[in-house]
Amino acid sequence: DQQVKQNSPSLSVQEGRISILNCDYTNSMFDYFLWYKKYPAEGPTFLISISSIKDKNEDGRFTVFLNKSAKHLSLHIVPSQPGDSAVYFCAASVGSGDKLTFGTGTRLAVRP
Amino acid sequence: DVKVTQSSRYLVKRTGEKVFLECVQDMDHENMFWYRQDPGLGLRLIYFSYDVKMKEKGDIPEGYSVSREKKERFSLILESASTNQTSMYLCASVRLQANYGYTFGSGTRLTVV
Repeated sequence: DQQVKQNSPSLSVQEGRISILNCDYTNSMFDYFLWYKKYPAEGPTFLISISSIKDKNEDGRFTVFLNKSAKHLSLHIVPSQPGDSAVYFCAASVGSGDKLTFGTGTRLAVRP
Repeated sequence: DVKVTQSSRYLVKRTGEKVFLECVQDMDHENMFWYRQDPGLGLRLIYFSYDVKMKEKGDIPEGYSVSREKKERFSLILESASTNQTSMYLCASVRLQANYGYTFGSGTRLTVV
């Protein structure tokens, strides 16, 4: 049972445009959500998080939106840069600092 | 700079061998985790620990065990390696109730032949 789903395995975006990565979850107990970025042969790097008491969190070029009623979150990257090309994982937990359930990842390619 | 260090980047082991994957963190974090990453499956939780000598099964614990004798060290043990355990293994740690994400190690690419 995949509790966190990323239905788009890949996404290609032109440099300077917006990248939108999507994630859906099924477990209504999840109340803390995170996005990670992963380059090949490296561990994932934490990007941004949001708790269920908020619907938006912003950090520089990265914004995460949470729609609790739809059990959907998205990561917006604007403007996209070639260095953003990586695999992006969304993750969720019941409580911050607890075990994370990850999605299957979306590979983002930013074209120069 | 805070770190999670995994002892090996690449390992090749034979079927049936006992394999030890070591992970050390220098951040005094209470919580530590072992995941494996496989194409199309994302990261799946194998085992985790909230304290010394404490362990909890994750989603796919079969064929694995863990050891946490010291707060900073969390070891993953493959009791009898099999080819379906060929994978990227990732260790992570985080402070209890932290409002930031895990810190991951660089991973160990294990190949079982």
